[in-house]
Amino acid sequence: EVQLVESGGGLVQPGGSLKLSCAASGFTFSDYAMTWVRQAPGKGLEWVSSISGSGTRTYYADSMEGRLTISRDNSKNTLFLQMRGLRGDDTALYYCTKKDRWEPTTWGQGTLVTVSS
Amino acid sequence: NFMLTQPHSVSGSPGKTVTISCTGSSGSIASKYVQWYQQRPGSAPTTVIFEDSQRPSGVPDRFSGSIDSSSNSASLTISGLKTEDEADYYCQSYDNSDWVFGGGTKLTVL
Repeated sequence: EVQLVESGGGLVQPGGSLKLSCAASGFTFSDYAMTWVRQAPGKGLEWVSSISGSGTRTYYADSMEGRLTISRDNSKNTLFLQMRGLRGDDTALYYCTKKDRWEPTTWGQGTLVTVSS
Repeated sequence: NFMLTQPHSVSGSPGKTVTISCTGSSGSIASKYVQWYQQRPGSAPTTVIFEDSQRPSGVPDRFSGSIDSSSNSASLTISGLKTEDEADYYCQSYDNSDWVFGGGTKLTVL
């Protein structure tokens, strides 16, 4: 069974940093691109960042580019999202997802990031 | 930038059929795959349609997806509405390698 388990969320002050993790199991992690999606309270879904299976190609949403680094450790089946310069509008539930052509997207349960003083 | 537009809300009675549209802003939506996600309150999204019209295992065949090139839109149709279908529904496609989401549609089953 495919499982994606996010962690690392929490309360952080404006301007602070946070590193999210996503532990993957139930599939060959290095074969799949992975994506972070966020959802602010009461709002819709927003794409944040994606990374190729090898980790050599990365993509970022304009709204957060320059403040994010997506990475992965294929030896540990773990995806990461390093966030810097956090602002109040970054407050959201951050989901880890797995998607490949001709397969449905699999979602984790999310980890909550709250940016507040 | 490519954008997807959904109605804010739709409603239907149990047993009836509803359709949720997802209109692309530019280019051809038919050249990009569309996914549909269901999100019940307090839960993570789940996939109900992938690659325009494919249903994941476990999703009832009451859910179907289609593409209309003439209106540059995708549609999610839910037939035989059940109260458990009440949720938010999001379409998602791609702009090169970026994911693009519609704003979401709240389905109310009256």
